[in-house]
Parts: sequence; C-alpha cells; structure tokens
Amino acid sequence: DAKTTQPPSMDCAEGRAANLPCNHSTISGNEYVYWYRQIHSQGPQYIIHGLKNNETNEMASLIITEDRKSSTLILPHATLRDTAVYYCIVRVAGSSNTGKLIFGQGTTLQVKP
Amino acid sequence: DAGVIQSPRHEVTEMGQEVTLRCKPISGHDYLFWYRQTMMRGLELLIYFNNNVPIDDSGMPEDRFSAKMPNASFSTLKIQPSEPRDSAVYFCASSELPGGEQFFGPGTRLTVL
Repeated sequence: DAKTTQPPSMDCAEGRAANLPCNHSTISGNEYVYWYRQIHSQGPQYIIHGLKNNETNEMASLIITEDRKSSTLILPHATLRDTAVYYCIVRVAGSSNTGKLIFGQGTTLQVKP
Repeated sequence: DAGVIQSPRHEVTEMGQEVTLRCKPISGHDYLFWYRQTMMRGLELLIYFNNNVPIDDSGMPEDRFSAKMPNASFSTLKIQPSEPRDSAVYFCASSELPGGEQFFGPGTRLTVL
C-alpha cells in the first residue's frame, strides 16, 4: 500500500469548514483513498473513501485531485465533537484487497469554540 | 447490532502473567482484525482472520502472542508471558468485506507492571 503524508496538527473554529489535506504521490491506479478518525479513547471510525471522483456522505466530503496524488477531507461545519485524529489511508479494494489498514500518524484536528 | 464487543475494557497484570483479550465481531462479518496502539508505534495491525482462518499474522510481534478464532462470533488474543512493553490499547475490528468499512471495538487497555 502507498504511503501518505499528513500535517501533524490543525485547528479549526467551530462552525467553520475543516479541510484536512493528504498527500499520496505514489498511489497506484487500483488504490482507493480512505479516511478514518479516532476520537480520544475510542476505536477508529470510518468516514469516507473514494477512487477518482469526489465523494460526499452525511459526515464529510472527499476531494481527490485529477492526478490522484493528493486529496482533501472536508468537514463542512465542524463541531467540538469533531476533535479527533484523522487518518488518511490508501489501499487496494476489491478482490485484490488484503484487508490491511496501515495507519500513519494522522492529523490531530482541534476544533475550538 | 451492539457493534464489536471487547472484554475486558481494562486489564492490569504483572509481568510474566498470561493475558487473554476477547472479541465478539459484528454478526455476519467474515473478517476480524486485531490491532495494537501505543504512543511510540501508533496503530499496528497484528493479525486478521477470514472465515475464522488466520490470513496474515506478520504483525504479531513474537511467539508470546497468539490469536485464535474458534467460531464466527468469538476471537481471543493471548499474551504469555506478558511483559511491560506489551502495555497498550488493543483493538478488535470486523468487516463484511476485505475492502469494506472496518468497525472497531472500544478497545482493551492493557497495563503490565
């Protein structure tokens, strides 16, 4: 699986959009971008994933650049409960997938009142 | 569904003792994963199962660690003998598909004195 690079920490004002970047310049054509987050003292939680196109669900939006070398997770209206460590992971999906999630250090997002 | 269930939530033991961590995956999920999280090393995959069969145990640190899955609804991670450096939070996760969303349990915080 390709490696990812994320800033170690970010701040965001409550109610504003939080934009979390991720670089994955060595991503392969059959690798997806996944985002998980871990709120303090809890297990990681799946947020969203995508291959090429931008994706949106009830939690967040995922914007993937055309060359797929980077992506941005967007929390449209951050709340204090969104304070967590956010992990960007790239992995093969489908029948070739090994099931492994390789977590990096992630980005610690602090949402401030 | 109650989600992934882990027990105990906290375990304190002395060096040299045997420790057994337990996990009940979400019903219908064919994949079960054991992770370990420490400040130094972050989240690491130890082993995972597909249909109760161990698929990849390359993350198991040494022979003191063993994992079993006797049936689809139960798995154990055993450490014998335990050492202080085994102190960590151990997470169990399950998923329906190899590339699918992994659902994590609340974790077991292990302290080895």
